[in-house]
Amino acid sequence: SQQGEEDPQALSIQEGENATMNCSYKTSINNLQWYRQNSGRGLVHLILIRSNEREKHSGRLRVTLDTSKKSSSLLITASRAADTASYFCATEDGTDKLIFGTGTRLQVFP
Amino acid sequence: DAGVTQSPTHLIKTRGQQVTLRCSPKSGHDTVSWYQQALGQGPQFIFQYYEEEERQRGNFPDRFSGHQFPNYSSELNVNALLLGDSALYLCASSLAGGAEAFFGQGTRLTVV
Repeated sequence: SQQGEEDPQALSIQEGENATMNCSYKTSINNLQWYRQNSGRGLVHLILIRSNEREKHSGRLRVTLDTSKKSSSLLITASRAADTASYFCATEDGTDKLIFGTGTRLQVFP
Repeated sequence: DAGVTQSPTHLIKTRGQQVTLRCSPKSGHDTVSWYQQALGQGPQFIFQYYEEEERQRGNFPDRFSGHQFPNYSSELNVNALLLGDSALYLCASSLAGGAEAFFGQGTRLTVV
């Protein structure tokens, strides 16, 4: 079963705008990771945030984690058409097993 | 570094048949996990192999089995295929105790 939900399920924006996706999960975690998937192919690792971290940046990506609310958000700034993809959060509980959310489909229009 | 490689990329099988999918992990990685992704869903954990043993398993029937070889490569076998087994099967490799998993491009299995 899925660990949790991602919100929104789908998001359409113009190039240059920011995109924010949210992820909620159910159990205790060791870390939370975000992945991108293009056209139903393999997953690309974007960023990992550990349970004792609250915010992390990588290029145009900003991730926050609130363990008290069991939620995370991914912000993509200054989006590009090439950012069009599905984005998944995944929690890891220390056993190297990933439990994925339901995903957000992002469409960026030129 | 070739990363994680999976074969074949696409496969069509008939209901009731058996299938074997293959995965070569990223160089230096010793842990291989398999995931099933149905259309429009997030990947679901099938099982994980470490040191040639199944270390943990998700909620999948015994029709799903696997193997890890001494070179860390892995196979996923599915017996008595059902239409509902049609999905993208993803292999991920990692270093045991590490956090980041690297995924292959997947095998698209269609059961007709």
